[in-house]
Amino acid sequence: SQQGEEDPQALSIQEGENATMNCSYKTSINNLQWYRQNSGRGLVHLILIRSNEREKHSGRLRVTLDTSKKSSSLLITASRAADTASYFCATVAGGYQKVTFGIGTKLQVIP
Amino acid sequence: ETGVTQSPTHLIKTRGQQVTLRCSSQSGHNTVSWYQQALGQGPQFIFQYYREEENGRGNFPPRFSGLQFPNYSSELNVNALELDDSALYLCASSSRDRASYEQYFGPGTRLTVT
Repeated sequence: SQQGEEDPQALSIQEGENATMNCSYKTSINNLQWYRQNSGRGLVHLILIRSNEREKHSGRLRVTLDTSKKSSSLLITASRAADTASYFCATVAGGYQKVTFGIGTKLQVIP
Repeated sequence: ETGVTQSPTHLIKTRGQQVTLRCSSQSGHNTVSWYQQALGQGPQFIFQYYREEENGRGNFPPRFSGLQFPNYSSELNVNALELDDSALYLCASSSRDRASYEQYFGPGTRLTVT
């Protein structure tokens, strides 16, 4: 079963605009990670935020985590056509660090 | 490139057959996880192997089985294939000794069952 629910399911923006994707989850977590996937190929790890962190930056990416609301957001600033991909949040929980993915947000950046 | 490789890239099998998919982990990683990703969905956790032993399993029937070898490469075996097994199969390697548990994914094997 999918733990996370990304919102929106699809997003289309112009190049240069910011893209925001949200993720909600149901259980306590150790950390939350965001991944990117191009055209149904392998996933690429973007950023990890631990349960005791509230915000993290990496280049044009900004991730926030609100454990009280069980939600996270991924912001991509100054988007580029090459950012077009599906983005997934994944929660990591439990003793053996089970990773559970959401259903993803499909981002299209129009040049 | 993550250093994780999978073979084959594509595979077409017939319902009822058996299939073996292979994954080579990134150097230094001792944990491998397998995921099934149906079209338009997020990856679903199948199972995880740590130091050659199954260490967690998702909601998949016993006809999905696996192996991890001493060099930490891995196989996913699926018996009695069903049409719904058609999907992209992803393996991910990681080091369980690292608290962050960042996973490195291979490019996947696309399985089509006809």
